[in-house]
Amino acid sequence: AQKVTQAQTEISVVEKEDVTLDCVYETRDTTYYLFWYKQPPSGELVFLIRRNSFDEQNEISGRYSWNFQKSTSSFNFTITASQVVDSAVYFCALSEALTGGFKTIFGAGTRLFVKA
Amino acid sequence: KAGVTQTPRYLIKTRGQQVTLSCSPISGHRSVSWYQQTPGQGLQFLFEYFSETQRNKGNFPGRFSGRQFSNSRSEMNVSTLELGDSALYLCASSLAIRGLNEQFFGPGTRLTVL
Repeated sequence: AQKVTQAQTEISVVEKEDVTLDCVYETRDTTYYLFWYKQPPSGELVFLIRRNSFDEQNEISGRYSWNFQKSTSSFNFTITASQVVDSAVYFCALSEALTGGFKTIFGAGTRLFVKA
Repeated sequence: KAGVTQTPRYLIKTRGQQVTLSCSPISGHRSVSWYQQTPGQGLQFLFEYFSETQRNKGNFPGRFSGRQFSNSRSEMNVSTLELGDSALYLCASSLAIRGLNEQFFGPGTRLTVL
């Protein structure tokens, strides 16, 4: 069975601090996809990144970076020099390729508070 | 390019009633998925439709159903509403091509059951 664990329920940081959001997943598939989404107070989930199981290359996009390690089944997300606008709930998600489609499981989310 | 739209945005119903929610995916996206989001259970997968066929289904009772039309628009129906059905219902669309299956979410429909 597939499972996504985000052990950090809430994190509070002061602006300009770096913060890492943890994500650990479980799957029996060899082909799968991992995602991070951001849900700001407005409620709409925003897609941040997709990574497939065959690509362990880390990625950096501006102040955001992602560290994918298959050996530990982790896909962690780091925000460098956090800003108040980063305050949101962040979800890690796992998508397995099923016959005829995909099914996506989300973690419980980590609520990030960035204080000025 | 227009995003995913959901109507209505807010809905108040009473127990026992039924409700229909609508979702229009991003143009060209053929996959539409529905999720229920509650504070206690988080984001839970309801079902996925692709080319008018339900491909995947989550662990929800039969009171929850859906359909997809030929233009990829989708509707979700909940019959015999219960208080516990109060939630934010999110629709997401995807190209659903292997390697390009990230989902784009609509703003959601907030359903309150009294």
